[in-house]
Amino acid sequence: GNSVTQMEGPVTLSEEAFLTINCTYTATGYPSLFWYVQYPGEGLQLLLKATKADDKGSNKGFEATYRKETTSFHLEKGSVQVSDSAVYFCALRQETSGSRLTFGEGTQLTVNP
Amino acid sequence: DGGITQSPKYLFRKEGQNVTLSCEQNLNHDAMYWYRQDPGQGLRLIYYSQIVNDFQKGDIAEGYSVSREKKESFPLTVTSAQKNPTAFHRCASSLDRFSGNTIYFGEGSWLTVV
Repeated sequence: GNSVTQMEGPVTLSEEAFLTINCTYTATGYPSLFWYVQYPGEGLQLLLKATKADDKGSNKGFEATYRKETTSFHLEKGSVQVSDSAVYFCALRQETSGSRLTFGEGTQLTVNP
Repeated sequence: DGGITQSPKYLFRKEGQNVTLSCEQNLNHDAMYWYRQDPGQGLRLIYYSQIVNDFQKGDIAEGYSVSREKKESFPLTVTSAQKNPTAFHRCASSLDRFSGNTIYFGEGSWLTVV
């Protein structure tokens, strides 16, 4: 079956530090890949996505590249802010699995001033 | 405003009771989903529906039931058979089943068994 593995958290960084949150997946075929974010007290919202190999998703300074050869979709940001503190979820979606999202465990990020 | 509305946001249930969580969307989406979120475990799929009058079990359907009589509504019933009902439940929807389309989430319903 499909699965998504994220790096274990929590992650604590200082403002303006470089962020990487690792995400690898297991799936047959060519799933679409997503990063969702949950800010404190808010709902789950889409951060970025990529639908085919070598695509780069980007939003709010975050980027992730769909790497088929390494089955990875690592999330990166060059300079984090306090407002980026949130829980980040990597997910994949595949039509052959009923088109549902399969999520990773989530990574809690805290950015200190 | 368009979106996904879940109610109630907080619900307390006595042991042995069934409760129903409401999910309504006005996005004209065909597909709807129910996920359960437990601390440190990410989200796990309970049930999903790709079209009206059709639904499928997800990974953790035991103790839950759903119906999809209308396109905009996908209520989830938590039965007394659910062994660990205390959890955060999230409803979601997407335009259709194609993998590239985004799945949108409601704000969630927190169910506590007392």
